[in-house]
Amino acid sequence: QVQLVESGGGLVKPGGSLRLSCAASGFTFSDYYMSWIRQAPGKGLEWVSYISSSGSTIYYADSVKGRFTISRDNAKNSLYLQMNSLRAEDTAVYYCARSARDSSGYHYWGQGTLVTVSS
Amino acid sequence: SYVLTQPPSVSVAPGQTARITCGGNNIGSKSVHWYQQKPGQAPVLVVYDDSDRPSGIPERFSGSNSGNTATLTISRVEAGDEADYYCQVWDSSSDHPGVFGTGTKVTVL
Repeated sequence: QVQLVESGGGLVKPGGSLRLSCAASGFTFSDYYMSWIRQAPGKGLEWVSYISSSGSTIYYADSVKGRFTISRDNAKNSLYLQMNSLRAEDTAVYYCARSARDSSGYHYWGQGTLVTVSS
Repeated sequence: SYVLTQPPSVSVAPGQTARITCGGNNIGSKSVHWYQQKPGQAPVLVVYDDSDRPSGIPERFSGSNSGNTATLTISRVEAGDEADYYCQVWDSSSDHPGVFGTGTKVTVL
């Protein structure tokens, strides 16, 4: 069965860095597009970043552009989100999600990992 | 950037029909996806590509999309349908194409 498991969340000070990982299993990872989506406490869903199956196409939300970097290692069935210059407003649960193409829905989600940015 | 607007809340009695709207400029030209999220859980896809249902999603969940409004309809509402619902599209004309709606809290009376 399809599984997406995020890790790497935690407490970090403003201006700090964190690297999230998403381990995929139960499907051919290299065939699918992946995204990061976050949800601040008590708020709605916010799309963060997208990477195509080969890694050749990448998009970011304006709120994270220049600070976050998405990447993937198809040999390791893993997705990553490098987060630098973190701000209090980046505090959220971060989900990785799988889609069959860029415009398709997210049929599978991980359980999420909490990132807290606070001094 | 593309904006999707949903009503903050919808209340419905058990057995009745709930309709959740998602407004966006010419949204009828895009594929719309709908997610259900219960407290403390990850979102679950309930309708994709305007009106298709993933396996395991009851037929009570249906979707439509035309003009400037997409709609998620929940028929014969049950207590277990109480949740937050989000619409989502991919705005291919944008360099930040992923867009979620503002979310709607469905309360079963």
